[in-house]
Order: sequence, then C-alpha cells, then structure tokens
Amino acid sequence: LAKTTQPISMDSYEGQEVNITCSHNNIATNDYITWYQQFPSQGPRFIIQGYKTKVTNEVASLFIPADRKSSTLSLPRVSLSDTAVYYCLVGDIGNTGKLIFGQGTTLQVKP
Amino acid sequence: SQTIHQWPATLVQPVGSPLSLECTVEGTSNPNLYWYRQAAGRGLQLLFYSVGIGQISSEVPQNLSASRPQDRQFILSSKKLLLSDSGFYLCAWSPVAGGYTFGSGTRLTVV
Repeated sequence: LAKTTQPISMDSYEGQEVNITCSHNNIATNDYITWYQQFPSQGPRFIIQGYKTKVTNEVASLFIPADRKSSTLSLPRVSLSDTAVYYCLVGDIGNTGKLIFGQGTTLQVKP
Repeated sequence: SQTIHQWPATLVQPVGSPLSLECTVEGTSNPNLYWYRQAAGRGLQLLFYSVGIGQISSEVPQNLSASRPQDRQFILSSKKLLLSDSGFYLCAWSPVAGGYTFGSGTRLTVV
C-alpha cells in the first residue's frame, strides 16, 4: 500500500481557502485517493475521493496532477467548525478496500 | 440508507478481563468490515478486516481477535485485556468499491 506524507499541522483563519497537500510517490495504478475528516472522539468522516484530475463536491475539491504522486484537498472559505484532523489515504478501493491511515494534518481555524 | 451501529460508547475494564465489542451494519449486503484502534493523540491503526462471513485478516499481532459470525456483524474480542489495549476503537464498513463509513466508536479504558 502506498505511503502518504502530509503536513502535521496547519493554521488558517475563518473565510480563507485552505489547501492541504499529500504526497504519495508510490501510488499504484489501481489506487484511489481518499480524504477523511475527524473531530475529537468521533469516527472519521468521508470527504472526497478521486483517481485523477479534479473532483468537486459540496464540501471540498480534490486536485490530482497527471503523475498522481500528490494530491491537494481544497476547503473553500473555512469556518471554525472545520477545525479537525484531515487524513489522506491511498489504496485500492476494490477487493479488500483496505485503507491505511497516516498521522493526518491537524487544521486549526482561528477567528 | 445504510447505518452502522457500534456499542458500547464507553467501557472501563480491569486488566485481565475479557472484552467483546460489537458492530452491526444495516441496509447493505456483503460489506467489507474493519476494526481500527486510535491511541490518544495518534492516528488510526487497522487491526482487522473482513471481506465475508468467517473471513478475517489480521493486520498486526496483538492481544485481540475478531470474528464475523453474520454478514453484517463484526465482533472484536479479547480473552485478557492489557493496559496497552486502552484506546478508541472504531468499526467501519465499505461497499466493494467506495469510501468508508465509520461507527461512533468505543472508548476503552483498561485499569
């Protein structure tokens, strides 16, 4: 399974756009890129998933360059409630669907 | 719609006592099921996953075991708890191709 590297922490202010980049140099052909959000004492919540180029939903956008060795989660106009840990995962969602979580990025949104 | 139930929410157990955590999924068939553990301030560690009834894969050697007696039931057990078994235990399910949905978690404290 491809290993991911992301910043341990980030700070932002309300209303700003936040971009969290994840490196996954050893991503395999069948691997998808998935991002989760976790609040304290809660299970992670699925945010977005993609394979290549750009994916957008009502919560975030995911940018994946052509070589797929990295990806960027973009959160538009963050609020205090977006303060959480964000995990980038890479894995084959078919078959076992096994995903390995890294340490994540702790995003602190300030007023 | 699919839902995942996990209980109990909190548990305090003495060292050497047995453990049984149960997770059930509703509204889907033949899901992939997973048990994760999260130590305080740490990321999620995959403990077990299952792609079908009676099929259990262990990711790390430990004092725990898992069973899947029914299609939508996943049980995490221990015969004798250790202090190091304390943590936040999360059950998750996924369709064959798709993102995870996590349960609300069980906070286990071994004393």
